[in-house]
Amino acid sequence: SYELTQPPSVSVSPGQTASIICSGDKLGDKYACWYQQKPGQSPVLVIYQDTKRPSGIPERFSGSNSGNTATLTISGTQPMDEADYYCQAWDSRTAWVFGGGTKLTVL
Amino acid sequence: EVQLVESGGGLVQPGGSLRLSCAASGFTFSSYAMSWVRQAPGKGLEWVSAIIGSGGSTNYADSVKGRFSISRDNSKNTLYLQMNSLRAEDTAVYYCAKDRVGSGSYSDAFDIWGQGTMVTVSA
Repeated sequence: SYELTQPPSVSVSPGQTASIICSGDKLGDKYACWYQQKPGQSPVLVIYQDTKRPSGIPERFSGSNSGNTATLTISGTQPMDEADYYCQAWDSRTAWVFGGGTKLTVL
Repeated sequence: EVQLVESGGGLVQPGGSLRLSCAASGFTFSSYAMSWVRQAPGKGLEWVSAIIGSGGSTNYADSVKGRFSISRDNSKNTLYLQMNSLRAEDTAVYYCAKDRVGSGSYSDAFDIWGQGTMVTVSA
């Protein structure tokens, strides 16, 4: 079955750039998307089709996807960005797959 | 306003059954594939099952295949998840989620999520 791998945690100082990676076999051949989930809340889509932001998502959120790695980048990270982040992709054999999630700490 | 509201969660004994519902509003329900996603306490997101807009095709995670069944009633704008032979490891918050793009199949992301309903499997 298809798997996506994320680091369990990433730390960043306020105002700096945070990068969260998601690895999977030939992930660059698929569309990757990213969700933000804060404690006690439902997930929110922040990036779709590798690089696109839904309406209402701040410009500091950006994405890329190439080779075996998709990356979510948060520029000028704010304390409100502290959350869990999940990557997701569709695989023709496994259907929808989520990464294990990355806890972003802003300190 | 586009909205998804889950219901039907609760406490059930191992081996028991439960049916979850997800009431949709604010969009043309029959045009969109829908999914169920669960999250065990303190754990990550796990996709469970998906169904295309017409209801003519479904997919399941290996962990629930043969035990869970997804369906939809487009006349009632409602998604269902029938859960049988429940196990302790099925304990989780269950979310319904809407595909981002309405098409004959699945799109590229989930743009709307419900608030979730808690399912606890315990004796």
